[in-house]
Amino acid sequence: KNQVEQSPQSLIILEGKNCTLQCNYTVSPFSNLRWYKQDTGRGPVSLTIMTFSENTKSNGRYTATLDADTKQSSLHITASQLSDSASYICVVSPDSNYQLIWGAGTKLIIKP
Amino acid sequence: ETGVTQTPRHLVMGMTNKKSLKCEQHLGHNAMYWYKQSAKKPLELMFVYSLEERVENNSVPSRFSPECPNSSHLFLHLHTLQPEDSALYLCASSGPYNEQFFGPGTRLTVL
Repeated sequence: KNQVEQSPQSLIILEGKNCTLQCNYTVSPFSNLRWYKQDTGRGPVSLTIMTFSENTKSNGRYTATLDADTKQSSLHITASQLSDSASYICVVSPDSNYQLIWGAGTKLIIKP
Repeated sequence: ETGVTQTPRHLVMGMTNKKSLKCEQHLGHNAMYWYKQSAKKPLELMFVYSLEERVENNSVPSRFSPECPNSSHLFLHLHTLQPEDSALYLCASSGPYNEQFFGPGTRLTVL
């Protein structure tokens, strides 16, 4: 069964600290993996997208990694800011046109 | 802003009401999507339209009825909903490579 599992379910850190969110997937075939940021009550916004051949991609203070052999990805946030408080969702695309397999997300809270 | 707008942003309706959600995209995309997002659950894909033709219908109850009159507009018609249908309903559109851009969502409460 195609699944995406994220950990931790929630995380609280102090402003300025770094953190890493994890994503494990059992999706086959595999086309690409995306990380989305979703603010409360808003739609998700894409942060990064990685194909099979890419093992790291950065977007400002966000760096995503992908290990296609172990089917794991991580999202590292550097020097966190209050505006980073959101849910971060890992999404895997099988080799199809429209279906995406969504994780349940990690809820990140940044405290001052 | 992502270029995808949704109205209304909030909706409260009774189980006997009929209402419609509207989505509009200004990105020139050919595909549009409806998703349901319940608390602490992954997004659930409901419907996909490509070039105004429905290409995905993920076992959604008939009380949800989509309509795509053109490639820029998507509607979700609601009737005789149940309280468990209360959720955030998200619209998205995509171009090449299926990169999806989301609207802000409609927070629906069914009483």
